[in-house]
Amino acid sequence: LAKTTQPISMDSYEGQEVNITCSHNNIATNDYITWYQQFPSQGPRFIIQGYKTKVTNEVASLFIPADRKSSTLSLPRVSLSDTAVYYCLVGDNSGAGSYQLTFGKGTKLSVIP
Amino acid sequence: DAGITQSPRHKVTETGTPVTLRCHQTENHRYMYWYRQDPGHGLRLIHYSYGVKDTDKGEVSDGYSVSRSKTEDFLLTLESATSSQTSVYFCAISEPSGGPRGEQYFGPGTRLTVT
Repeated sequence: LAKTTQPISMDSYEGQEVNITCSHNNIATNDYITWYQQFPSQGPRFIIQGYKTKVTNEVASLFIPADRKSSTLSLPRVSLSDTAVYYCLVGDNSGAGSYQLTFGKGTKLSVIP
Repeated sequence: DAGITQSPRHKVTETGTPVTLRCHQTENHRYMYWYRQDPGHGLRLIHYSYGVKDTDKGEVSDGYSVSRSKTEDFLLTLESATSSQTSVYFCAISEPSGGPRGEQYFGPGTRLTVT
């Protein structure tokens, strides 16, 4: 299986912009890149999804370079409530036969007052 | 929130016993997934379904089987539970939109302990 790589943890002060990068070398041609947020004792929650270039919604931006081998989730002006684990999800076409979905191991973001 | 329920929410069972977890959706989404989550591993796909009676293996399918006889229900069975299957299990659903997989909505999770 192709791997996705994210930093294990990050710290940030309230009000700062946070950028979390995910590497995904074997992304499938037709697949999208999706980011999820997870709080303790809850299931992951969708944040943003994109295919290439830049996508922005009311909570985040997603930057994807032309080669699509990485992506960067940008959280503007974080607050304490943004403390969570963030996962990058991409398709995986490296395996023979069935289609595999690959989550990164997640980045634990801690927002400091 | 998407209409996804998981049952049971918590279960303790003994090694060697069969266990079935149920995922029920009210969204009529085509895709359904079972993941397990363990410390240090993040979320790992066990099995997924792309339609009634259509299923496929994920990254960690050994020791698990699934069935989907109705659109709304996706069952995960541990035929003979082992301690290594102690984990939190999440069900998810999605409907393809643009990309082949679409946004996934997750259930609340089932905490399974095998003693």
